[in-house]
Amino acid sequence: GAVVSQHPSWVICKSGTSVKIECRSLDFQATTMFWYRQFPKQSLMLMATSNEGSKATYEQGVEKDKFLINHASLTLSTLTVTSAHPEDSSFYICSASYPETQYFGPGTRLLVL
Amino acid sequence: AQKVTQAQTEISVVEKEDVTLDCVYETRDTTYYLFWYKQPPSGELVFLIRRNSFDEQNEISGRYSWNFQKSTSSFNFTITASQVVDSAVYFCALSLTDSWGKLQFGAGTQVVVTP
Repeated sequence: GAVVSQHPSWVICKSGTSVKIECRSLDFQATTMFWYRQFPKQSLMLMATSNEGSKATYEQGVEKDKFLINHASLTLSTLTVTSAHPEDSSFYICSASYPETQYFGPGTRLLVL
Repeated sequence: AQKVTQAQTEISVVEKEDVTLDCVYETRDTTYYLFWYKQPPSGELVFLIRRNSFDEQNEISGRYSWNFQKSTSSFNFTITASQVVDSAVYFCALSLTDSWGKLQFGAGTQVVVTP
């Protein structure tokens, strides 16, 4: 079946640094990918839609200058958390559109100290 | 705006009992998809089932079954003969056809299956 990978799976960083998270569709092309954020004990909230070859579309309340998204190829989307702060600590999950369903990556846990 | 409600926060059962998870959704669109995902402690979302708004046929797939009723905007999910490995958070989600892939998730229901 379709597989979506994320890298890294875990990242710990100091406040003020930037962190890049990669999302790859391994055996299919994905013109559209999605980025979600999940705080502990909460549901998943859509952050943005990543479109190959064009700008990302951000959900209301998500700072586009803080969460930079680049969808440079049909199999790779990256999310960069710029100047990360402790409140950005969360579980970040990407998904890719596949015929008839959405496949999710394994997620990236970010801890900002 | 769309909304997905999972009123059950946590359900605890003993192994082999059946578990039914409730999901109520709101949308003004006539074409949409409904999903159930499982999230074990590892965090990875596991796809379980998908139905589109045109297909109200309820089916059984192994120990999983679902009851989709457009009249009540409900999409309930049942695990038959639960096992300890079924312990996880279960999410119901909605995606509109014209924004395929953008999922609106419910709050999730924690299922705890004890031996």
